[in-house]
Amino acid sequence: VQLVESGGGLVQPGKSLKLSCSASGFTFSTYGMHWIRQAPGKGLDWVAYISNRNIPVYADAVKGRFTISSDNAKNTLYLQLNSLKSEDTAIYYCARSGTPMGMDYFDNWGQGVMVTVSS
Amino acid sequence: TVLTQSPALAVSPGERITISCKASESVSTRVHWYQQKPGQQPKLLIYKASNLASGVPARFSGSGSGTDFTLTIDPVEADDTATYFCQQSWNGPNTFGAGTNLELK
Repeated sequence: VQLVESGGGLVQPGKSLKLSCSASGFTFSTYGMHWIRQAPGKGLDWVAYISNRNIPVYADAVKGRFTISSDNAKNTLYLQLNSLKSEDTAIYYCARSGTPMGMDYFDNWGQGVMVTVSS
Repeated sequence: TVLTQSPALAVSPGERITISCKASESVSTRVHWYQQKPGQQPKLLIYKASNLASGVPARFSGSGSGTDFTLTIDPVEADDTATYFCQQSWNGPNTFGAGTNLELK
């Protein structure tokens, strides 16, 4: 299993960014996928989940601003970040659900991509 | 659900250590443990309280149910220097504990 994130960078408050996570080594379409973030020097915060039936679930802190999606033909997970705030500054990890049908735990993680929101 | 983890530990190689994770309400056995070394992504160690993840050494074990959970490392090795996080998936959105820093003397 390999997960590789991309698309991070420095962005001004209020602007948008789109993260990608390229997956390989497993049947992407059969697993739910997550985005989890970690502010510098802080703990882990779950951000969003998309089921293998493309049903999304969001943390309250990002609901209405972030959109999770996936493209099974490209084996790629996305996170569209809109209306960014300074408190969204973090490393963003994509992770695979430990069980194909649930949100339980995260059995494989990407290396992460840094998003910095600053003017 | 708030998860409260034990504070930082400094131990010597060869010791047996336990890291606690207390939930503010029952989470059944839906607690999972991760190890994060500096500059790396987290790695799953234990899932559903007591199940060892693939490829994880048998020195790691987990126990607990309801509100009290424990991660045990026996014996601790120098390579175990890391932050350990617990996570629950029983109540509402997934939540994590603040992490426990383990330092080897």
